[in-house]
Amino acid sequence: AQKITQTQPGMFVQEKEAVTLDCTYDTSDPSYGLFWYKQPSSGEMIFLIYQGSYDQQNATEGRYSLNFQKARKSANLVISASQLGDSAMYFCAMREGVSGYSTLTFGKGTMLLVSP
Amino acid sequence: NAGVTQTPKFQVLKTGQSMTLQCAQDMNHEYMSWYRQDPGMGLRLIHYSVGAGITDQGEVPNGYNVSRSTTEDFPLRLLSAAPSQTSVYFCASRPQTDWEKLFFGSGTQLSVL
Repeated sequence: AQKITQTQPGMFVQEKEAVTLDCTYDTSDPSYGLFWYKQPSSGEMIFLIYQGSYDQQNATEGRYSLNFQKARKSANLVISASQLGDSAMYFCAMREGVSGYSTLTFGKGTMLLVSP
Repeated sequence: NAGVTQTPKFQVLKTGQSMTLQCAQDMNHEYMSWYRQDPGMGLRLIHYSVGAGITDQGEVPNGYNVSRSTTEDFPLRLLSAAPSQTSVYFCASRPQTDWEKLFFGSGTQLSVL
């Protein structure tokens, strides 16, 4: 079974609108972390936001927020007031456990296109 | 501050050739890793290291070797390149216990003909 599932291969949104990118995860470890990365067409991987499994509040970073629903095992990324520069591939990722040996597992990504 | 440096940025190989992708970081990070990115597959972990002399396999290790003789460097070796290894390769590093600070290199685009 996939550990990280991103069901939206592509999403379209108009500039200034909000958009939600879906991510569901599968783990039996009580301690885990969820990440979102942005990959623009230039190819670099840009860290956006992190949510720990024990964090009580949803993480927020500027226009990015993570809608963390633990019981549903979902960690959706919400981008408010989309900008043209938000057009990129977005990856959800999960770390299981707290050991330094823990590795990061990525989903297959969602391509977001923001139109004027 | 250079961060994570990968070389080369582009490489074309013939089937059966060998080569080494270089990765260096100047942040004194204990943890370093190699991922490959294929269309529709996301990033998949090849090998990782938690310190000099310590390496382990990730999800897709076959066909790749690594070693970690220094904290700074984590080269990825392809001993006999195959077309299935055509991909974009990313190196990433972080402090041992700070997952939020995972830094990626700019990637190496490898084509095996």
